Amino acid sequence: AQTVTQSQPEMSVQEAETVTLSCTYDTSESDYYLFWYKQPPSRQMILVIRQEAYKQQNATENRFSVNFQKAAKSFSLKISDSQLGDAAMYFCAWSSEGSGAQKLVFGQGTRLTINP
Amino acid sequence: DADVTQTPRNRITKTGKRIMLECSQTKGHDRMYWYRQDPGLGLQLIYYSFDVKDINKGEISDGYSVSRQAQAKFSLSLESAIPNQTALYFCATRSAAGEQYFGPGTRLTVT
Repeated sequence: AQTVTQSQPEMSVQEAETVTLSCTYDTSESDYYLFWYKQPPSRQMILVIRQEAYKQQNATENRFSVNFQKAAKSFSLKISDSQLGDAAMYFCAWSSEGSGAQKLVFGQGTRLTINP
Repeated sequence: DADVTQTPRNRITKTGKRIMLECSQTKGHDRMYWYRQDPGLGLQLIYYSFDVKDINKGEISDGYSVSRQAQAKFSLSLESAIPNQTALYFCATRSAAGEQYFGPGTRLTVT
């Protein structure tokens, strides 16, 4: 079974600084997606960034970028120029690209605090 | 307007009551999902549907049932609610590119 592990329950960063959230996963599949979702206090699950496993190039979305290491099964999220609005729970998630439920398998989350 | 909507947003009910949570989407996606989130945890899959005639159980389907009334509508029912079903419930749709889009969630409390 696929698993996703986030080893940092909590992280904090000064406003305008850079922070990296860690994620590792385990799968025997070769085709899959990886995601980072953000859940602010409003509880909405918001897609931050997406990575396809077959792509070697790391995904970027404005201030958000990932470091995808397929062989190491590692998928970290870097937030640059942190803003107060970035404060939230961040979930790393995996999904199969093949047959089956194609459900999201989530990690336990990392709570990110931004210090002004 | 939001692409994925859920009603109600909050609900308090008593043990043994039947309750339905509703989800509608305007994204035109065939694939829809119901997840449950418990405090401090990620989401777990309850049921999923690939189209109106294709409904499947997820990893925690006991005590729940679903109905896919149309491509745009996917409802979750608790036939006889119990306190350990107190949780945050999310509906989601899946695009062909693999992304899942979530509704705002329903906070359910069973007393």
